[in-house]
Amino acid sequence: NAGVTQTPKFQVLKTGQSMTLQCAQDMNHEYMSWYRQDPGMGLRLIHYSVGAGITDQGEVPNGYNVSRSTTEDFPLRLLSAAPSQTSVYFCASRRGTGSGGELFFGEGSRLTVL
Amino acid sequence: ILNVEQSPQSLHVQEGDSTNFTCSFPSSNFYALHWYRWETAKSPEALFVMTLNGDEKKKGRISATLNTKEGYSYLYIKGSQPEDSATYLCAPYTGTASKLTFGTGTRLQVTL
Repeated sequence: NAGVTQTPKFQVLKTGQSMTLQCAQDMNHEYMSWYRQDPGMGLRLIHYSVGAGITDQGEVPNGYNVSRSTTEDFPLRLLSAAPSQTSVYFCASRRGTGSGGELFFGEGSRLTVL
Repeated sequence: ILNVEQSPQSLHVQEGDSTNFTCSFPSSNFYALHWYRWETAKSPEALFVMTLNGDEKKKGRISATLNTKEGYSYLYIKGSQPEDSATYLCAPYTGTASKLTFGTGTRLQVTL
């Protein structure tokens, strides 16, 4: 069972470079989201999507873009990486868009921006 | 931004001890409260999703209660084992948008 798959697991970038973190889920979940995890800060929501073609901002959206062209995929783009974006990124999905569905997380992507 | 507080921040207990921690959240616009268990070097995994005031959920030695009127939830672990060592996250879901807001977690370490 694949669940939520994130790639790459590790990435080092230089300031100003761009990259895309990939996220795919095979559970036909409507809802997908991206979180970042920093020491002492917990998980903070970057962007989320309640279905194909629909995205919205979370708590910390600046510097990140997302799109949702299919139900399965929800890539996160860093257009011009900054050291402040050094973090561990988690993609998560759940069935439905209401309150009751538990989140299923990917394994995380550790990004370092030099 | 929703204010979610978890206490204590960290906890160190011995094998066999029972323990509990607290999650506090605003009680207005409440829809659900999620608890997740997060082991080091792994991804968070859901423990419970609770929606009703007075709700109690149980999974093995772990249980949780919910008070939506006063805005808190307790997580209990009975007879802690080393494999319970993890960070426990709570996340209330309030109906203003389709998003969960996570607390910073309680880090539990269980030693022999």
